[in-house]
Amino acid sequence: KAGVTQTPRYLIKTRGQQVTLSCSPISGHRSVSWYQQTPGQGLQFLFEYFSETQRNKGNFPGRFSGRQFSNSRSEMNVSTLELGDSALYLCASSLAQVNEQFFGPGTRLTVL
Amino acid sequence: GNSVTQMEGPVTLSEEAFLTINCTYTATGYPSLFWYVQYPGEGLQLLLKATKADDKGSNKGFEATYRKETTSFHLEKGSVQVSDSAVYFCALSERRGGSQGNLIFGKGTKLSVKP
Repeated sequence: KAGVTQTPRYLIKTRGQQVTLSCSPISGHRSVSWYQQTPGQGLQFLFEYFSETQRNKGNFPGRFSGRQFSNSRSEMNVSTLELGDSALYLCASSLAQVNEQFFGPGTRLTVL
Repeated sequence: GNSVTQMEGPVTLSEEAFLTINCTYTATGYPSLFWYVQYPGEGLQLLLKATKADDKGSNKGFEATYRKETTSFHLEKGSVQVSDSAVYFCALSERRGGSQGNLIFGKGTKLSVKP
């Protein structure tokens, strides 16, 4: 079974731009979560989607948003990029009602 | 709120040495506990988990026991190999209203194993 895939793997943007990251979960998984990983703050939860509905949200500004499609694929969007948004963005998928999350390789975003 | 505290390292060991990475947590209710491993340039992989008190998770020679009385979930391995060099994250999962919840991570511990 294919794992979680994330595209693109690397991205370079400038301040003020916006970016969209994509995540395809493991086949059959209906829950997708997003995390931001930085050297200073470590791994922080962004949001969780299940059946196209946001079920949980972390403590991030409104510039960070996401959505989930009917095929469970998910996207996250960051608008008005800031230097501090440079990070590895990880997506994880899981079966409904099961704790175990399977992570993708991440998208490395660099904001210049 | 809920939180996870783990020794930050880095930890440097010789091959075949004994490994302990300490992890303690603060949580309301009964969280599930996890250890994830991240190899260079890769995402996180689940190493082991425990869902209730006194459960022992184990995988690839690594073990951790869910100790509710000491709110701990320390990771141990009897004999490390060079291939175990990676960053290890302790995490807990809190359930909210039927959702499987989000993972709360410790800061990570970088392990380097020398031949």
